[in-house]
Amino acid sequence: DTAVSQTPKYLVTQMGNDKSIKCEQNLGHDTMYWYKQDSKKFLKIMFSYNNKELIINETVPNRFSPKSPDKAHLNLHINSLELGDSAVYFCASSPPSLHEQYFGPGTRLTVT
Amino acid sequence: AQSVTQLDSHVSVSEGTPVLLRCNYSSSYSPSLFWYVQHPNKGLQLLLKYTSAATLVKGINGFEAEFKKSETSFHLTKPSAHMSDAAEYFCVVSDRANFGNEKLTFGTGTRLTIIP
Repeated sequence: DTAVSQTPKYLVTQMGNDKSIKCEQNLGHDTMYWYKQDSKKFLKIMFSYNNKELIINETVPNRFSPKSPDKAHLNLHINSLELGDSAVYFCASSPPSLHEQYFGPGTRLTVT
Repeated sequence: AQSVTQLDSHVSVSEGTPVLLRCNYSSSYSPSLFWYVQHPNKGLQLLLKYTSAATLVKGINGFEAEFKKSETSFHLTKPSAHMSDAAEYFCVVSDRANFGNEKLTFGTGTRLTIIP
């Protein structure tokens, strides 16, 4: 019954590797988002997709590439991982008629 | 442009006493405002929201917030703190100019500690 799910929950990898984080929502929402939460708990939007189309791209390095195969999924692929990419990444979704967003449990990425 | 300022990075209260978490916002448009809570190692949960209806908004777990346009504030309150309220709280403003593709701007968070 999980509304917004993310896999994996934890991801530890070395610098230079490529990794993906998956997100799925079963709420029927049209819009999905990726956020990054840094070590000081600050949350910042990275991307948003509406019906598989990119809507918001907040000056994220092009090593980060979101992919939306359908409106229920928004995956995040990261190339050439750097130490500064270590953070918790949250996926979220929202319906068109409401303003609030529903968040996944987060993926803690650690780059060594 | 929109922004939100949480005036306290850390608030400590005794169990059973009132909670006040302060938030001021700035928005070019009529804003939507939210409070989210994040318990340790958990995702974010919506506590309550204001979207231009009643200015006093009631949320889950006994929390409420009052939208004051003249003061550009949206402070979060609870009459009596419970140990389970210990968490990080985020005040959030939404740019309603992009209706349907809301961009949320988060405050820096307030860590609430409950003293037994």
